[in-house]
Amino acid sequence: QSALTQPPSASGSPGQSVTIACTGTSSDVGGYNSVSWYQQHPGKAPKLMIYEVTKRPSGVPDRFSGSKSGNTASLTVSGLQAEDEADYYCNSYAGSNNYVVFGGGTKLTVL
Amino acid sequence: VQLLESGGGLVQPGGSLRLSCAASGFTFSSYAMNWVRQAPGKGLEWVSGIIDSGTPTYYADSVKGRFTISRDNSKNTLYLQMTSLRAEDTAIYYCAKQMGLSSFDYWGQGTLVTVSS
Repeated sequence: QSALTQPPSASGSPGQSVTIACTGTSSDVGGYNSVSWYQQHPGKAPKLMIYEVTKRPSGVPDRFSGSKSGNTASLTVSGLQAEDEADYYCNSYAGSNNYVVFGGGTKLTVL
Repeated sequence: VQLLESGGGLVQPGGSLRLSCAASGFTFSSYAMNWVRQAPGKGLEWVSGIIDSGTPTYYADSVKGRFTISRDNSKNTLYLQMTSLRAEDTAIYYCAKQMGLSSFDYWGQGTLVTVSS
């Protein structure tokens, strides 16, 4: 069970857009439309931001969007705001043997 | 929806611990549930999952053979029995409600497990 690959850090200025990549294999990210993204602020539980690659749960701002191409999924945060500064994690279904795999996380800094 | 974990604490290497997660606000018996952990200063690691009926169950390689996930749908409670604990099992353990194949839409506040002598 190998973790999905995310960049350790990303940054952008308020109002800008930033994209975080999540790279897996054809056995996880590339094989299923079941990639999710989570936001975690320090000391808090993770919060679901995107599910099934592109869908947003109720209450998540439309500044957050997801996409996928091949074995790489991406989270884009548009119109960056100070409160977007957090850690972001992707996860994917990985089949009946490995079930679920997470990415290593990306610390997003709003400059 | 509310998920409330309990049972964490300090345990010696080789010891055992049972975590519980009390669920409310949704039809517990209709959803798969999972345990996800986070070591201090580290990322999220999926630990184990169980479907709505209780079988089958799934485990990360790092805990296979040592941890057992179970659920009591009559008590709306999820469990994680942890044995042969190691220092590297030290983490905050979250229970999470599953939506679809692998999305976790609700999380508990977590319970801290510390394995140390």
